[in-house]
Amino acid sequence: EAEVAQSPRYKITEKSQAVAFWCDPISGHATLYWYRQILGQGPELLVQFQDESVVDDSQLPKDRFSAERLKGVDSTLKIQPAELGDSAMYLCASSNDSPLNTEAFFGQGTRLTVV
Amino acid sequence: AQSVAQPEDQVNVAEGNPLTVKCTYSVSGNPYLFWYVQYPNRGLQFLLKYITGDNLVKGSYGFEAEFNKSQTSFHLKKPSALVSDSALYFCAVRDRSGNTPLVFGKGTRLSVIA
Repeated sequence: EAEVAQSPRYKITEKSQAVAFWCDPISGHATLYWYRQILGQGPELLVQFQDESVVDDSQLPKDRFSAERLKGVDSTLKIQPAELGDSAMYLCASSNDSPLNTEAFFGQGTRLTVV
Repeated sequence: AQSVAQPEDQVNVAEGNPLTVKCTYSVSGNPYLFWYVQYPNRGLQFLLKYITGDNLVKGSYGFEAEFNKSQTSFHLKKPSALVSDSALYFCAVRDRSGNTPLVFGKGTRLSVIA
């Protein structure tokens, strides 16, 4: 069964350092999402891609966060510099957006701890 | 703007009893509705969706949900709970118009007691 791949699963970094997360969506899925989930809360959208184009990055803190999907396949989310408040689970998801298959499939996530 | 409300932080139910996890939504147009489940330190796992048609939709692991347009609700149900159903459950909504993202509720923790 096809899955969304994310790496690393866990990351511990010191504040003010740079950190990057990688996501490989399900093959053929044009839409890719990055969500952030703070412990005890629901996922919140950071950025949405359609192929290589950004559809929605209105909630992405652009002073420190960046995201790219250069070839419309895999994607990287970067934080520089990391802050203590960035500690969270970072979830990648993808969907193919056909009318009857509009659900998103999630990867296992990256648990980030900033110390 | 889209939003989802899950009014219960925690639901406790005895094993073998029916369970209900509540969800109400707000969307400007017609919605796509979803339920996901999350186990500790894992990603979200898709359970079921409402797209169109029958208001009662069936999903994985014996779960079902009923779409009620007049009450803007999409409650998750299961006739007989299992201890292994204990997890965090998220309701999500997506507007049908345009390529909009899923918007999630804050989640409900289900605890099934043996």
